[in-house]
Amino acid sequence: AQSVSQHNHHVILSEAASLELGCNYSYGGTVNLFWYVQYPGQHLQLLLKYFSGDPLVKGIKGFEAEFIKSKFSFNLRKPSVQWSDTAEYFCAVNDGNYGQNFVFGPGTRLSVLP
Amino acid sequence: DAGVIQSPRHEVTEMGQEVTLRCKPISGHDYLFWYRQTMMRGLELLIYFNNNVPIDDSGMPEDRFSAKMPNASFSTLKIQPSEPRDSAVYFCASSLLPGTDTQYFGPGTRLTVL
Repeated sequence: AQSVSQHNHHVILSEAASLELGCNYSYGGTVNLFWYVQYPGQHLQLLLKYFSGDPLVKGIKGFEAEFIKSKFSFNLRKPSVQWSDTAEYFCAVNDGNYGQNFVFGPGTRLSVLP
Repeated sequence: DAGVIQSPRHEVTEMGQEVTLRCKPISGHDYLFWYRQTMMRGLELLIYFNNNVPIDDSGMPEDRFSAKMPNASFSTLKIQPSEPRDSAVYFCASSLLPGTDTQYFGPGTRLTVL
């Protein structure tokens, strides 16, 4: 079965620091990759997604992620975080062959100190 | 569009009681998903529907859980009888297309079983 791992359970940064959150998946075939964000008390929202083309994907709010197929990774980055980025971040993967069985990672909680 | 609508937003019940969670997907979306989020297990896919038909219910934890989608605009997740370990946030999500499409999440129902 497909699995998704996220390297950090909780990341604490100061404002303006750079961010990189790791995500690795286990499936060896074609995949679609997503990063979702959950702000405190809110529902999950899509940050960005990759399904083909340029492996460097740009999303909302200055986030980007790079798909590295050889490493089974899809790390999320932001050059300069803000206090408002405090949230939980989830990596998700599904089978690219029209699969709908999304598998979410355990999430990484990001706390940005003002 | 109002997005995915879930009700109730909060539910507190006693062990042994029946609980029914409701979801209205985004109009025109053919796929509907039920997830459960807990601190211990993260975000788990319970079941998903395509055109009102359950496709994969392998994530449903026990026979106490059941889900229905009587029409394209309404789905229910029922727990009978409820147990304290069912306490979690239950999210409903919908999407238009398979595979690469974004899932749009509802605000969730926070269930507490005493």
